[in-house]
Amino acid sequence: QGQLVQSGPEVKKPGASVKVSCKASGYKFTSYGLTWVRQAPGQGLEWLGRVSGYNGNTNYAQKLQGRVTMTIDTSTSTAYMDLRSLRSDDTAVYYCARIALAGWLDYWGQGTVVTVSS
Amino acid sequence: DIQMTQSPSSLSASVGDSVTITCRASQDIRNSLAWYQQIPGKAPKLLLYAASRLESGVPSRFSGSGSGTDYTLTISSLQPEDFATYYCQQYYNTPQAFGPGTRVDIK
Repeated sequence: QGQLVQSGPEVKKPGASVKVSCKASGYKFTSYGLTWVRQAPGQGLEWLGRVSGYNGNTNYAQKLQGRVTMTIDTSTSTAYMDLRSLRSDDTAVYYCARIALAGWLDYWGQGTVVTVSS
Repeated sequence: DIQMTQSPSSLSASVGDSVTITCRASQDIRNSLAWYQQIPGKAPKLLLYAASRLESGVPSRFSGSGSGTDYTLTISSLQPEDFATYYCQQYYNTPQAFGPGTRVDIK
């Protein structure tokens, strides 16, 4: 059974950066990609992008282009999402999720709360 | 980009009721659709993929159908643990957008 464990909550000031980690276990990391999704307070789910667990290739949501970088470390089966120039509307719970076969998301991390406040 | 809509945005139902949620894509997504359930404070949980395929371990009272641009999630005989928010997601192409969600409340 696959499992994704994310890093702990973060509080950042506007303009700062945050790096969220997602450690995978229970499956072959390089055989699956990972997607990052966020959920602002009281809002729905927003797709942020995805990263290949095989070669680190990425696709990002256009609204975050230039501010987000998704990377992997295959030696530790860990994915990272780095978000820069934080704004108050980046306040959200950030999830990583495994991409199964054709693209649905079968395993989810527990979520990381990122709060951006001055 | 493909846009996803859901209806209704919320509904109230009783234990034992059958409910149907509709999801519409702005273009044909060729059954590349998943449904997720989210309980407040928890991560989403996969229910169905490929429009109608039940994820392992998900009760058979959940079912999905549809094709092209229009899809439905049906929950037959609602149970207390089914009161949650439901999201559809297309994975036909990127960005793999989610629908805005449908909240199912207890009547």
